[in-house]
Amino acid sequence: EVQLVESGGGLVQPGGSLRLSCVASGFSLSTFPMNWVRQAPGKGLQWVSTVSGSGNVVHYVDSVKGRFTISRDNSKNTLFLQMNSLRVEDTASYYCVKSRSWYGGMDNWGQGTLVTVSS
Amino acid sequence: DIQLTQSPSSLSASVGDRVTFTCRASQTVSTYLNWYQQKPGKAPKLLIYTASNLQSGVSSTFSGSGSGTDFNFTISSLQPEDFATYYCQQTYSTPFTFGPGTKVDVK
Repeated sequence: EVQLVESGGGLVQPGGSLRLSCVASGFSLSTFPMNWVRQAPGKGLQWVSTVSGSGNVVHYVDSVKGRFTISRDNSKNTLFLQMNSLRVEDTASYYCVKSRSWYGGMDNWGQGTLVTVSS
Repeated sequence: DIQLTQSPSSLSASVGDRVTFTCRASQTVSTYLNWYQQKPGKAPKLLIYTASNLQSGVSSTFSGSGSGTDFNFTISSLQPEDFATYYCQQTYSTPFTFGPGTKVDVK
């Protein structure tokens, strides 16, 4: 059974940093594209970043480029999102999500971890 | 960036109803259009991928169709557990945008 368990969320001041982790089980992270998707309280879904199965291709939404970095530790089957220079508008639940394939939809979601950016 | 619009933004229906709503893309996404269901406090769930393919384990009361810029999502017979918000998402090109959602509630 595929499971994705996120951690690392919390309260941080504007300009601060957080590192989200997502431990995957039931499959190998290096086999599928992996994503971070966020949802601000009471709002819709926003794609944040994707890394290909090979790790060679990485994409970000414009609003986080230069501030967020997606990465993987295949030996620990863990996905990360390093978030720097956090802004109030980054406040959201962040979901770790597995894709079926690059084009084929996102078929497994973690439970989400809440990031609150506030002074 | 490809923008997705969903209509209606909300609809009220009864158990047993057939409901259909739409997703329109600002430019072609071929068939790389997916549909998700989200219930309050829960993570989204993939229902349909690449426009018309039913995700494993998902009820066959859900279906999708379309290509290019216009897509439909249908629930053939609404069940009590289907009251939720439904999002479309394109995976044709990054950023992999989501639509704003269609909320289905009880009439």
